[in-house]
Amino acid sequence: EDQVTQSPEALRLQEGESSSLNCSYTVSGLRGLFWYRQDPGKGPEFLFTLYSAGEEKEKERLKATLTKKESFLHITAPKPEDSATYLCAVQAYGGSQGNLIFGKGTKLSVKP
Amino acid sequence: EAQVTQNPRYLITVTGKKLTVTCSQNMNHEYMSWYRQDPGLGLRQIYYSMNVEVTDKGDVPEGYKVSRKEKRNFPLILESPSPNQTSLYFCASNRGLPSYNEQFFGPGTRLTVL
Repeated sequence: EDQVTQSPEALRLQEGESSSLNCSYTVSGLRGLFWYRQDPGKGPEFLFTLYSAGEEKEKERLKATLTKKESFLHITAPKPEDSATYLCAVQAYGGSQGNLIFGKGTKLSVKP
Repeated sequence: EAQVTQNPRYLITVTGKKLTVTCSQNMNHEYMSWYRQDPGLGLRQIYYSMNVEVTDKGDVPEGYKVSRKEKRNFPLILESPSPNQTSLYFCASNRGLPSYNEQFFGPGTRLTVL
């Protein structure tokens, strides 16, 4: 069964304190792995898509990396405005082509 | 402005009273999808549609119906709502398969079934 697990569930950082969020996945064949940001009361906002092991993508203070079993979202020198829930999702080959499986998210709080 | 809209944003209803949540996108996207989000369970896909007249089940389709008669609209229908369908619902759209294009989410519909 395809599965996505995110850790930690919650993370509190001081402004400027870099850290990483983890997304481990089990799929029959990975078509794509996605990172989203979700603010309270809003829909998720797309951040990155990663396709193959070794791939990296960056956007401002965020950097996403991918291995064959997990993905990391590295946050460098975070600011309070980076506080949000970060969601990881995967799409697998085979089966239902349009099916996305989401993890439960990591709630990030950055204190000034 | 490119966007996904959902209506209503908030709805309180009673068990068994049929309801429809509308979803519309103005980006000419082929792919559309419905999710529900529950505390401790995360986002789960209900149904998705690869194009007009093409729909398929996600992970939690029981108790829901969808239709895709037009490219821009993808309504979610609850024929006989029950309290366990109380949730936050999101509609989303992509230009193609999610793995190839950015997925845009709507603002959400908070549904309470009494």
